[in-house]
Amino acid sequence: EAGVAQSPRYKIIEKRQSVAFWCNPISGHATLYWYQQILGQGPKLLIQFQNNGVVDDSQLPKDRFSAERLKGVDSTLKIQPAKLEDSAVYLCASSRDGSSGNTIYFGEGSWLTVV
Amino acid sequence: SQQGEEDPQALSIQEGENATMNCSYKTSINNLQWYRQNSGRGLVHLILIRSNEREKHSGRLRVTLDTSKKSSSLLITASRAADTASYFCAPKETSGSRLTFGEGTQLTVNP
Repeated sequence: EAGVAQSPRYKIIEKRQSVAFWCNPISGHATLYWYQQILGQGPKLLIQFQNNGVVDDSQLPKDRFSAERLKGVDSTLKIQPAKLEDSAVYLCASSRDGSSGNTIYFGEGSWLTVV
Repeated sequence: SQQGEEDPQALSIQEGENATMNCSYKTSINNLQWYRQNSGRGLVHLILIRSNEREKHSGRLRVTLDTSKKSSSLLITASRAADTASYFCAPKETSGSRLTFGEGTQLTVNP
């Protein structure tokens, strides 16, 4: 089966600009996650969707980050305006559902550099 | 929120040796998962051990879980250069659905 698809793979922007990342999860997976991974650290959950509803966005900096999954399939993560500290890899992941025994499958990530 | 802490932060061994990584966590868990991340890539699920299991094997991987000590270990036997990667543990807490990751152990296997 096809894996989690993400684009773009790499993006360089200036601070205060905006950027959007796209994710297409594995077909049939109800749960979609966006993680932020700063170099040298572990991934941090930004937002979790169950179908088109938000399950957990407690760690999403809502003043500048937004995410949507309108039709319950693909998702977009937006940052506006970007700050230098947003430089990180943005990992999208999906699982069959959000239950505890499900394996989470990750995409290759979108690398953001803010200069 | 639940978060595993991996130890050591970095580990360097020779090919053929065994590598052991440890994970400690704070509260009650439903299961604990281990993931691998090769440089510049996404995370790959390795193995899941449930809270009522004490040991699990998958190929060259052996995972143990001690819920009384709130700790887990990942053993990679007969390591290969291709095992060079970062390894993360992710405890799944009994309450809530979030899976949180520690800082990882960077394993280097020298040929």
